[in-house]
Amino acid sequence: KQEVTQIPAALSVPEGENLVLNCSFTDSAIYNLQWFRQDPGKGLTSLLLIQSSQREQTSGRLNASLDKSSGRSTLYIAASQPGDSATYLCAVRPNNNDMRFGAGTRLTVKP
Amino acid sequence: EAGVTQFPSHSVIEKGQTVTLRCDPISGHDNLYWYRRVMGKEIKFLLHFVKESKQDESGMPNNRFLAERTGGTYSTLKVQPAELEDSGVYFCASSRDRAGELFFGEGSRLTVL
Repeated sequence: KQEVTQIPAALSVPEGENLVLNCSFTDSAIYNLQWFRQDPGKGLTSLLLIQSSQREQTSGRLNASLDKSSGRSTLYIAASQPGDSATYLCAVRPNNNDMRFGAGTRLTVKP
Repeated sequence: EAGVTQFPSHSVIEKGQTVTLRCDPISGHDNLYWYRRVMGKEIKFLLHFVKESKQDESGMPNNRFLAERTGGTYSTLKVQPAELEDSGVYFCASSRDRAGELFFGEGSRLTVL
């Protein structure tokens, strides 16, 4: 059974710092991995989707990597801003139906 | 292009009552998913439609939950009768391809008293 773990559970950094969020999964047989952000009381906003054949994806200040063999993904945020404060969720798709979520990392960027 | 929309945004009902949640996926997205987050837990998969067909409903908690997608457009999720443990946020998501990028709605918060 696929388990997804996100470390740390919470992170607080000063504005301008570069930071890394970690995601690990137990079964390397995945279709893809997707990173989301969720603001309080809101839905999930898709950030990056990495297919199983890809190693990384970039969008603006965000860069996500995928190492299937070791069951790890990282989300790198460059030059963090207060507007980046949110919960970041990692989700892996073990088949073409289901998607398994981690518990999330709650990020606070202080001005 | 409109995103995934869900209605209602919040519903408060008493134990034993019935609630129906609605989801309108992004136009052209054949794949529609329902997820749920109960207090303090991870988001969990409930079921997956491709057009009007249920592809996987392995995540449905029990037979008090009924999902439909007549005509392959919008979907409804009915809880009847509702129990206290059904409280949580119900998310709907859609994608164009079966293993494609998922787009989520804002969620429907259900509170059962």
